[in-house]
Amino acid sequence: GAVVSQHPSWVICKSGTSVKIECRSLDFQATTMFWYRQFPKQSLMLMATSNEGSKATYEQGVEKDKFLINHASLTLSTLTVTSAHPEDSSFYICSVLDSNNEKLFFGSGTQLSVL
Amino acid sequence: GDSVTQMEGPVTLSEEAFLTINCTYTATGYPSLFWYVQYPGEGLQLLLKATKADDKGSNKGFEATYRKETTSFHLEKGSVQVSDSAVYFCALAKGGDKIIFGKGTRLHILP
Repeated sequence: GAVVSQHPSWVICKSGTSVKIECRSLDFQATTMFWYRQFPKQSLMLMATSNEGSKATYEQGVEKDKFLINHASLTLSTLTVTSAHPEDSSFYICSVLDSNNEKLFFGSGTQLSVL
Repeated sequence: GDSVTQMEGPVTLSEEAFLTINCTYTATGYPSLFWYVQYPGEGLQLLLKATKADDKGSNKGFEATYRKETTSFHLEKGSVQVSDSAVYFCALAKGGDKIIFGKGTRLHILP
């Protein structure tokens, strides 16, 4: 069964609105989660590392005020795309590091389309 | 649907041994193929990629060739090091579709 649940699978929104994406660890408590962005046929780009109970660590070039990450519990991390614009349209994928910090498990991804 | 299959391991080798991690895929069209590496406690890093048939991706001594006839993208390295111990993920992506990962292969290199 699924280890990581990501929701929603796809979302269409108007420019200027905010969108929240959830990533849940179903089988274990996850101290660390990662958020990625993927452009069509391209490799993943790591956006940020989400640590439970502390502020996320953002990669260079990623706007932390635009991509808000909250990791309030050991089973849930959320990514909020604030004031979305068409250039934010992309696949967003979360991954969870297992309890032994050894292996990643991936969410199914969220396709965001901003009109 | 599209999928990626790779050996889950763990694979345990001695330092300087030859490494092969098999990866096969099922996909319509012409996907791009990737190998990602995950070091302990860290997120993914792109190791190499190939975007069309017969392309060879290479990086840090690792190589993989996009074989459309066998739908494979096997990862190879001639002489592994202890620092190569990690989890390796094979993946594919097509234009307009999300990336699809294999389940990952754990590699242990013994000194």
